[in-house]
Formats: sequence, structure tokens, C-alpha cells
Amino acid sequence: DIVMTQGALPNPVPSGESASITCQSSKSLLYSDGKTYLNWYLQRPGQSPQLLIYWMSTRASGVSDRFSGSGSGTDFTLKISRVEAEDVGVYYCQQFLEFPLTFGSGTKLEIK
Amino acid sequence: QIQLVQSGPELKKPGESVKISCKASGYTFTDYAMHWVKQAPGKGLKWMGWINTYTGKPTYADDFKGRFVFSLEASASTANLQISNLKNEDTATYFCARAPQLPGYYYVMDAWGQGASVTVSS
Repeated sequence: DIVMTQGALPNPVPSGESASITCQSSKSLLYSDGKTYLNWYLQRPGQSPQLLIYWMSTRASGVSDRFSGSGSGTDFTLKISRVEAEDVGVYYCQQFLEFPLTFGSGTKLEIK
Repeated sequence: QIQLVQSGPELKKPGESVKISCKASGYTFTDYAMHWVKQAPGKGLKWMGWINTYTGKPTYADDFKGRFVFSLEASASTANLQISNLKNEDTATYFCARAPQLPGYYYVMDAWGQGASVTVSS
């Protein structure tokens, strides 16, 4: 199985500052079609996950442009610009190159 | 608007079975696959598998082969998850999540149900 490893944040992050969440995969997620098969989700406290980013850098419909995804084949970053109170929650990366689909263990964001 | 509404919380004993439903509305049911994701208390997300809502074909992750069954009631735009011979470690919240049935999008889960809690305790 592809292992997804997420980094921690130096919580709490001051409101208005930027936050970068890292994710590393045990295998390159770059496919022969040129796309990188990585998604990012946010799970706010007490809620279900919501899709933020797919194919490593494409924002999902309705997602603020404060969220951006980048990376290479195995190292990825979700950047949140000007963090706000509504950004609080746990962020998960997920690969969809191979079965089984696997998630990272999650990165918690707290706001000061 | 797009909604995935899941059934309510369940309290079961070990060895019993449970069926969780996920009713879709606001879109064409057969245009989107349905995935199932497990979240144990205080833990992260674990993908269980998915079902093609056009063909009805299920695919299970290895850890969810045997006691877990995905099914459809397409006429009711509903996907179901049945778990038999429940064990304590099945205690979790189970999410359904849809993904477009288009090349490259099958595993992009763009809308999720609210989750269904299952507690297994003697």
C-alpha cells in the first residue's frame, strides 16, 4: 500500500498568517497522463470531510483561492494564505493512484 | 442542492449485523460512484471501497472483504453498506462520499454524507 505521511503544524497559527501543510507519499503519484493523483480534504470539528484540492493543485468548486496545492511526485504542500477561524480542523492528503486509496494521518490546524 | 443523507446511529452487539443507508439527492445518481470511508473514534480516515452506481459493481479494499457488502437501490437513489458478524473494532463513523464516474475523477470524493455512527458493545 502507498503510505502517506503528513507533517505537523506549529499550532496555534496566528489569524491572518499563512500555514503550509506537508504530505509525503511512499511512491510517486505522478501518472503517465501527466497528472498527480493526490487530493486534499478538510474535516472541520464535528463535520464530514470536504474536498479542497484534487490532482495536487486543482481547487474544488467553491473553495477559496486562499487554498493552493503544489508539489512533486512524492512531496506535496497545501498552503493556506491568511488563515481564518473557519479554517480550523484536520487536513488530510489522499492518494488515488493505486488501490487501496490511502489517507495521511491528518494535520490539525488551530488558530490564535 | 446536492445532498447525501445517511441513516441514524446504531448500537449493536458483537455478532449482529447492521445496514447503513446513504440517500442521494440533487444530482443524477448513476453519474456518480459511491465510496465508503471508515473513521474510528478519534482516528483518521480509512477507505473501504466503492461501488459503480451505473453497473452495480462493488470493489472492496482488502481489509473490508468478507463481512462488508455495498449495494444499491438505484430507483431510490440510495447506496447501502451492510456489515455482518459485527466486532468491537467495527465501532466507527461510516461516511458515504460520491465521485464523478468520469475518467480521472472516479476517486475524487467531492461530496460526503454526514456520517453514520455504529457502536458495537456487549
